[in-house]
Amino acid sequence: QKEVEQNSGPLSVPEGAIASLNCTYSDRGSQSFFWYRQYSGKSPELIMSIYSNGDKEDGRFTAQLNKASQYVSLLIRDSQPSDSATYLCAVNTGTASKLTFGTGTRLQVTL
Amino acid sequence: AAGVIQSPRHLIKEKRETATLKCYPIPRHDTVYWYQQGPGQDPQFLISFYEKMQSDKGSIPDRFSAQQFSDYHSELNMSSLELGDSALYFCASSHRQGTYEQYFGPGTRLTVT
Repeated sequence: QKEVEQNSGPLSVPEGAIASLNCTYSDRGSQSFFWYRQYSGKSPELIMSIYSNGDKEDGRFTAQLNKASQYVSLLIRDSQPSDSATYLCAVNTGTASKLTFGTGTRLQVTL
Repeated sequence: AAGVIQSPRHLIKEKRETATLKCYPIPRHDTVYWYQQGPGQDPQFLISFYEKMQSDKGSIPDRFSAQQFSDYHSELNMSSLELGDSALYFCASSHRQGTYEQYFGPGTRLTVT
């Protein structure tokens, strides 16, 4: 079992809809949680970080963290075709420690 | 804003050759991480450095070595290359006293033939 689990998708949503991506992790010592967006052949781009339970909003993105359930999610409102990419969930166990990634969820936003 | 710089962007080598990848972190970032991403795979942590000292080690083959220099740039040296080493190699940087956020460079695509 991978330490970080994601549904590989593809997750298909129509333009303008809300996309919901989920991630679970197994290490209860995980302290920091990140969502990266990766276009094919490109590098991961940090879009959200969250460190405490609850919601964190940044523009069209909302990250949600529930440490008791070991669950992290990312909501993308008003999805655009340019949001079509693979979204990687990543966790680490402390400052300056390695990131452990999930396998990523491929999002397709259709016109 | 300045980003992580990696060079070269593309590299083609033959089996058993050596390769050196370079990484220049974001200014004032003191920690560098190396990740390897195979086709269709998620990035896998190789090694990290803080203040020129190795801080963590992941699934890095013994054929690979790395170091961080006084100007904080880092080099990943890969010897006796194998076909399976073909992958994207990313460098990321962070500031230990700041957030835990790691920012990735554009990557080096290594092809071993």
